[in-house]
Formats: sequence, C-alpha cells, structure tokens
Amino acid sequence: DAKTTQPNSMESNEEEPVHLPCNHSTISGTDYIHWYRQLPSQGPEYVIHGLTSNVNNRMASLAIAEDRKSSTLILHRATLRDAAVYYCILRDDGNYGQNFVFGPGTRLSVLP
Amino acid sequence: DGGITQSPKYLFRKEGQNVTLSCEQNLNHDAMYWYRQDPGQGLRLIYYSQIVNDFQKGDIAEGYSVSREKKESFPLTVTSAQKNPTAFYLCASRQTGIAQPQHFGDGTRLSIL
Repeated sequence: DAKTTQPNSMESNEEEPVHLPCNHSTISGTDYIHWYRQLPSQGPEYVIHGLTSNVNNRMASLAIAEDRKSSTLILHRATLRDAAVYYCILRDDGNYGQNFVFGPGTRLSVLP
Repeated sequence: DGGITQSPKYLFRKEGQNVTLSCEQNLNHDAMYWYRQDPGQGLRLIYYSQIVNDFQKGDIAEGYSVSREKKESFPLTVTSAQKNPTAFYLCASRQTGIAQPQHFGDGTRLSIL
C-alpha cells in the first residue's frame, strides 16, 4: 500500500481557515486520495476524496498537487466541532481486495 | 436513518473469557470491516468481509474470529487467545465500487477486569 505522511498535530484559531497537509510521494496513477476525521470516542467519518482535480463539498475542499505527490485538506472556517484526528489515506479503488490503511493522522486542535 | 450499530458501547471481560461484539448495518452494504484502535494510534484491520459467507484476515487477526451469515451482521469474537484485548473496536461497512466511502459505527470499548 502506498504510504502517506502527515504532521502529528496542528493548531488553529476558531473561524480561521485550516490547511492540513499530506505527503504521498509514492502514489500510483490509480490511487484515490481519501480524507476521514475522527472525533473523540467516535468512529471515523468520511470527509472528502479525489483523484486528480481539486474537489469541494459542504465539509471541506481538497487541493491536489499537479504531480499528485501531495494534497491539502482545507477547512474554510474552523469551528470547535472540527477538533479531531484527520486521516489521509490512499486507496486503489479499482483494486477490489485493497483495504483502507489508517495511520496515526493529524490531531487538530481548535482554539476559541 | 440508515447506519451502523455497534453494541454494547462499553464491555468488560474477565481473563480467559470469550466475548462477542455486535455490528449491524442497514445500509445494504456488501463489505464489512472490523478495526482495533489503541490509545493515540491509528486503526488496524482485524477482519473484513466482501460478501456473505466469506471473510478474510486483516493485519492482526490472531485471537479474533468472525462470521458473516447475513449481509447486515458481522459479529466479532475476542477469544481468550487474544493476550491484550483492551482496546477500542470499530466496525465499518462499505458499498463496493469506485470511490465508495467507509461508514463507521460509534465503537465498543473493551476492558479487561
């Protein structure tokens, strides 16, 4: 499985944008980039995913580098409810047997 | 509302006992997964099932067993062979196909008395 590298922790102030980086220099052409987040004592929840183009949804935006070796999850206005562990995952969605690999992720703290 | 239900939320086990964690989904998903999470760590895959009556070992299957007799149910048994079972256990399901996300339950926290 292709690996991702994320900072262990980040801090943000409430109502400011947050940029969460993810490096994936060994990404293959068929790997999708998935982001999940996990609030304390809960299961992870899906945030966003993309392949090559930047993506937007109601929760966040995903900016993917042109060479696809890195990506950034963007929360446009952080709230206290966004404090969570964020996981960046690569998965070959065309590979029926491949599974999601959740690393330690980035712990985001949001300061009031 | 559709979703995944894990029960119980907290579970205590005596040394040497087997215990079964329940996972039920009404999302009509084909694939189901069990993960273990230790404090401050990511998730590690225990078992997964892509279809009824079939399941595969994940990265840390030793000391665990599963069954998949119905599409909506994927119970996990933590056996006495699992030497360090205290952890947070998460069940997930997913519809197979391109870019389908995993949906998670709220987890079961297992502790040894």
